[in-house]
Amino acid sequence: AQSVTQLDSQVPVFEEAPVELRCNYSSSVSVYLFWYVQYPNQGLQLLLKYLSGSTLVESINGFEAEFNKSQTSFHLRKPSVHISDTAEYFCAVSRFSGNTPLVFGKGTRLSVIA
Amino acid sequence: NAGVMQNPRHLVRRRGQEARLRCSPMKGHSHVYWYRQLPEEGLKFMVYLQKENIIDESGMPKERFSAEFPKEGPSILRIQQVVRGDSAAYFCASSPSSRGEAEAFFGQGTRLTVV
Repeated sequence: AQSVTQLDSQVPVFEEAPVELRCNYSSSVSVYLFWYVQYPNQGLQLLLKYLSGSTLVESINGFEAEFNKSQTSFHLRKPSVHISDTAEYFCAVSRFSGNTPLVFGKGTRLSVIA
Repeated sequence: NAGVMQNPRHLVRRRGQEARLRCSPMKGHSHVYWYRQLPEEGLKFMVYLQKENIIDESGMPKERFSAEFPKEGPSILRIQQVVRGDSAAYFCASSPSSRGEAEAFFGQGTRLTVV
C-alpha cells in the first residue's frame, strides 16, 4: 500500500517570499507523483507531475518539484509567491500499474500574506 | 470540452434521508473515481468505476453507500439513511485511462450537509 505524508498542515508566507511545501511518500512499488491545488470551494487541479526522466518538474505558474528517490520525497517549491497562490496543495501518488486510484496526503494550506 | 460536472454543488439532507450525488465525466473518459474530503483531511478514495462495472470499492463503507456508472448517463453515488458523519465534500474525478500516469480531472464537488 502507498501512503503520503505532508508534514505541514498550514504554511503562512509573505508575498514575494519563497516557499517549500514538503511531501514524503511510502510505497513498496514504483509510483508516479503528483501535486494538485485546490482553490476555495473548487475541485482539484493538477499542478505538476513526475512520471520519469528529469527529477525536476515545473508548472506553468512558477512552481517546481523535485523527485528524490533516496529520501522518498517530492517537495514543492516556488521562489516568489503571489497572493493568488493562496490555496490548499495536495501531494498524491499513483502506482505504475493501472486500476489504482490516487492516494493523497492531508494537504497543506498555503496562505500568502500581503 | 466541458470538464467534470458534479451536481448538486450543495446538498442538505436530514438524518435518515437519502443523498444522490451525480457526476458526469469529461467527454471520452470512461474511468470515474469518487473521493470524500472531510474537514482537515485529505481526499480519501471511495470507489473506482468503469462503464457498468465497479473495479475497486475498497474505500466504500460497507453499509448505506453504493455507486454506479451506467452505460448511459452520469455516475451516481448514493448514500442511504444519512447520518451526521456523512457530512463532507464528495469529489468525482474522471480519467481517459486506468494507467497510473493518466491525469485525473476533478469536478467541483458536492458538499453534503446532514442536519
